[in-house]
Amino acid sequence: QSVLTQPPSASGAPGQRVTISCSGSGSNIGTYSVCWYQQLPGTAPKLLIYRNNERPSGVPDRFSGSKSGTSASLAISGLRSEDEADYYCAAWDDSLSSVVFGGGTKLTVL
Amino acid sequence: QVQLQESGPGLVKPSETLSLTCAVSGYSISSGYYWGWIRQPPGKGLEWIGSIYYSGSTHYNPSLKSRVTVSVDTSKNQFSLKLSSVTAADTAVYYCAEYFGSGTGWFDPWGQGTLVTVSS
Repeated sequence: QSVLTQPPSASGAPGQRVTISCSGSGSNIGTYSVCWYQQLPGTAPKLLIYRNNERPSGVPDRFSGSKSGTSASLAISGLRSEDEADYYCAAWDDSLSSVVFGGGTKLTVL
Repeated sequence: QVQLQESGPGLVKPSETLSLTCAVSGYSISSGYYWGWIRQPPGKGLEWIGSIYYSGSTHYNPSLKSRVTVSVDTSKNQFSLKLSSVTAADTAVYYCAEYFGSGTGWFDPWGQGTLVTVSS
């Protein structure tokens, strides 16, 4: 069981907006910033969001992140078929003195 | 542009030591920054293994700490992972990545990953 909780699946039609949640606690998301990763089938994870809501260069502005209290969210607008992937949140956890990941959310584009 | 490439045996016997190396190109490790290892069992999620600063200071996942050693070789511009007393539960794709330091879950970029199977 992962320290950060994500829904196992999410879906949306092309062009729609979907949101993926990541729930933690005061020792992780409540204190530290959150990152989000996209993992396309058969490939390594790729950084999508860092410091809660910042995008690395090259990541489309269709992807956005937010954080409130002990939860974070990744929003994908204008959904495309190529967005079909697994998405993971990550943060530092003070109690565990460890990087912790969410269990991952499989996004299906209908 | 930093690039990372994992290498090592794809098959390790139970109770033996898993050894992997991550070659870094496009950046000199001795210039600074942190480097990390993450693994992903087949069909499962990501697990942080440990990280190392270019100076050699390390930080390990408490659940693996007794079996993990991460080291850095600045002369070869690479860092390494050793995981001892492996079992089938250690079968996973192992990734190396540049890590932005304690207090974050920020890894970028990642290597392509290498599958290590633990089996006799």
